[in-house]
Amino acid sequence: DAGVIQSPRHEVTEMGQEVTLRCKPISGHNSLFWYRQTMMRGLELLIYFNNNVPIDDSGMPEDRFSAKMPNASFSTLKIQPSEPRDSAVYFCASSQTAGSPLHFGNGTRLTVT
Amino acid sequence: AQSVAQPEDQVNVAEGNPLTVKCTYSVSGNPYLFWYVQYPNRGLQFLLKYITGDNLVKGSYGFEAEFNKSQTSFHLKKPSALVSDSALYFCAVRALNSGNTPLVFGKGTRLSVIP
Repeated sequence: DAGVIQSPRHEVTEMGQEVTLRCKPISGHNSLFWYRQTMMRGLELLIYFNNNVPIDDSGMPEDRFSAKMPNASFSTLKIQPSEPRDSAVYFCASSQTAGSPLHFGNGTRLTVT
Repeated sequence: AQSVAQPEDQVNVAEGNPLTVKCTYSVSGNPYLFWYVQYPNRGLQFLLKYITGDNLVKGSYGFEAEFNKSQTSFHLKKPSALVSDSALYFCAVRALNSGNTPLVFGKGTRLSVIP
């Protein structure tokens, strides 16, 4: 099992550019979660999906952020346009059931200049 | 509403000494409780969980945690700390009857084990 796979590992972009982060969850996991981690705010839940359906996106900072899960093996988080305050590490995680642990990817470190 | 408190931002312990990282929680009903560890430039890794049963849960790397319902606590412990245990530790909770909803994480405690 390769675990949760995120790409890219690092992304450096200029303010105003579109950024797309990608995630492949563990096969057979029914739920997928996007988190953002910063020194100031810690770990924040952005959005989560159950069976590919978005359930709660109340953590998405603003309309510049959007997430999709077109199938059980792929999800994207898009920021358009990006701003310097979006700089953070973005994690994707998946889980199978309510009692099973979350499995995290190694994250994408985003820097917006 | 669910919440987790990790009252210490930083814990320092000498190598070989026992360590404790504290966690208290608030949840409606019975909880699922988890501990995760994060090493630099890595995602969070699962250490151990409590669902039901024995209040003392054993996990990876020699860690254990004790569930105390009356104190609503789930402190992480290890009898003898290693330098390699230095990392960021997160406690998390989910209500038992809440389905596969997101875990609520604490703010994390940075553990430094001093050689």
